[in-house]
Amino acid sequence: KNEVEQSPQNLTAQEGEFITINCSYSVGISALHWLQQHPGGGIVSLFMLSSGKKKHGRLIATINIQEKHSSLHITASHPRDSAVYICAVRSGKETSGSRLTFGEGTQLTVNP
Amino acid sequence: DAGVIQSPRHEVTEMGQEVTLRCKPISGHDYLFWYRQTMMRGLELLIYFNNNVPIDDSGMPEDRFSAKMPNASFSTLKIQPSEPRDSAVYFCASSLGTALELFFGEGSRLTVL
Repeated sequence: KNEVEQSPQNLTAQEGEFITINCSYSVGISALHWLQQHPGGGIVSLFMLSSGKKKHGRLIATINIQEKHSSLHITASHPRDSAVYICAVRSGKETSGSRLTFGEGTQLTVNP
Repeated sequence: DAGVIQSPRHEVTEMGQEVTLRCKPISGHDYLFWYRQTMMRGLELLIYFNNNVPIDDSGMPEDRFSAKMPNASFSTLKIQPSEPRDSAVYFCASSLGTALELFFGEGSRLTVL
């Protein structure tokens, strides 16, 4: 079992739909990142969170530390949201330093 | 700020050749990370530096890989000799402290024939 698991692996939606991508992890963490990778390959950090919820525009990220689970929500999805979304966690262990463990990513396609 | 700058964006080379990838972090950032991305293994941390000092290089696959950070504004990742299985996209990222946001470069796509 991978330390970080994302679901679904692939997601196709129609423009305007509400989208949820899930991330579960099996280790204690100090922080969780959501990253976005566009077809051109560049990676952008969307959120870093260690508790609660963060919102930026149409994107919302939540984390439940007790359940070791995070979700990324996209409201009113748009074709330009089509990308791979990657969850990454930083272990809470002192010895892990700044090492991130990555999920395999969720390929999102939003059709017009 | 221009963001994290990597070069080259694309490199095609033959097996056995030396490859050098370069990274300029965002000014003022004290952490620099090198990642590799492949279809099979996804994103993997190779090495990271704090204040120009290598902290964790346990992700460096073999002795053929080496990384340096001679000053706060420049880092290199070198592969010598290169092999076809090194073909991947190599990302550099920087951050201010470990608790803050990561900023990625555009990546260097390496193809070893």
